[in-house]
Amino acid sequence: NAGVTQTPKFRVLKTGQSMTLLCAQDMNHEYMYWYRQDPGMGLRLIHYSVGEGTTAKGEVPDGYNVSRLKKQNFLLGLESAAPSQTSVYFCASTTGTSGFETQYFGPGTRLLVL
Amino acid sequence: SQQGEEDPQALSIQEGENATMNCSYKTSINNLQWYRQNSGRGLVHLILIRSNEREKHSGRLRVTLDTSKKSSSLLITASRAADTASYFCATAYGNKLVFGAGTILRVKS
Repeated sequence: NAGVTQTPKFRVLKTGQSMTLLCAQDMNHEYMYWYRQDPGMGLRLIHYSVGEGTTAKGEVPDGYNVSRLKKQNFLLGLESAAPSQTSVYFCASTTGTSGFETQYFGPGTRLLVL
Repeated sequence: SQQGEEDPQALSIQEGENATMNCSYKTSINNLQWYRQNSGRGLVHLILIRSNEREKHSGRLRVTLDTSKKSSSLLITASRAADTASYFCATAYGNKLVFGAGTILRVKS
């Protein structure tokens, strides 16, 4: 099992450009999450999904969109990147019926917006 | 806003010593979890303690939970240089985990 993988590992964007971050998991997990991590801060939840075809807003959803067309994939989109979106982005997934359980994290995507 | 707050923000100890990190939170929880993050890597789950549990052990890790004080502690015994990392507590409520800002642990050899 590869676990949770993220693509790409690193990306540089110019202000106003768009991009999509891909998260894939091969553990048949229902719940998937996108977080951002900034220096000196913990992880902040951007969006999450409780199953295929569902999405919900987290703590900091503005400027991001997500889609969960397939159970194993969770896409995070930036339509018009801003310097404030420079961050490290982590995807996670978890099994179970409540979302309370252990989360498995990907290795992260470092995004720099100039 | 962050639910959990870790204390201290940073901790530096010698190899072989014990390291204690604390986490305080604000609302009722289903469970509390601790994660480790090595530099440049994703988070790795260490231990989960449910709201009806008071203490849990896993290898060199000991976690306590005091729901009346809304606090938890993580003890790493006989620390090793490889324990150098950031440690985060995460509280579970709703369909989500809410992470604190973390404690940076440095173990000197």
